[in-house]
Amino acid sequence: QVQLQESGPGLVKPSQTLSLTCTVSGGSISSGGHYWSWIRQHPGTGLEWIGYIYYSGSTYYNPSLKSRVTMSIDTSKNQFSLKLSSATAADTAVYYCARYYHDTSGYYYHDYWGLGTLVTVSS
Amino acid sequence: DIQMAQSPSSLSASVGDRVTITCRASQTISNYLNWYQQKPGKAPKLLIYTASSLQSGVPSSFSGSGSGTDFTLTISSLQPEDFATYYCQQSYNTPYTFGQGTKLEIK
Repeated sequence: QVQLQESGPGLVKPSQTLSLTCTVSGGSISSGGHYWSWIRQHPGTGLEWIGYIYYSGSTYYNPSLKSRVTMSIDTSKNQFSLKLSSATAADTAVYYCARYYHDTSGYYYHDYWGLGTLVTVSS
Repeated sequence: DIQMAQSPSSLSASVGDRVTITCRASQTISNYLNWYQQKPGKAPKLLIYTASSLQSGVPSSFSGSGSGTDFTLTISSLQPEDFATYYCQQSYNTPYTFGQGTKLEIK
């Protein structure tokens, strides 16, 4: 059973960089050809896909956040990370990491999710 | 970006009811459509993938259908644990996008 767990500061000051790490257990982050996503949810609203990273380090970021997002992966620790620079109050949200499963037919879906972590951007 | 529009935004129903939630894509997405259930304070949970495939462990009371631009999620007989918010998500093209959600409430 794959499990994911987000970790990082729950409070970030405006203009600083929001940094989160997702630790994967129950499976190798570099096996299976799957992608690893970050998704956020503003308080009381819907879900926004931030981007994903592959075990090779290749990434795709949502164009709406691309200028501020950096994702990285550490296969030796079975972790991947998110950095969001120049944070503002609009970045206050629950951040989820998730596995973007790639099946043999070429379809993708988020089958395992972390519990989520609330990050508040405030001085 | 592909826009995903769900209807209704909220729905009141009773235990035992049959309910249907609709998701419409702004352009054709074939069957690259997933459905998730989210309960308050919890992470979303995958219910249906590729429009109609039931995720392992999900009750057979859930079903999905559709292709192209129009999709539906049906719950054949509502159980108390089904009251939650439901989201559709397209995986046809980046950036992957979600519908705004449908909140299913107890009548």
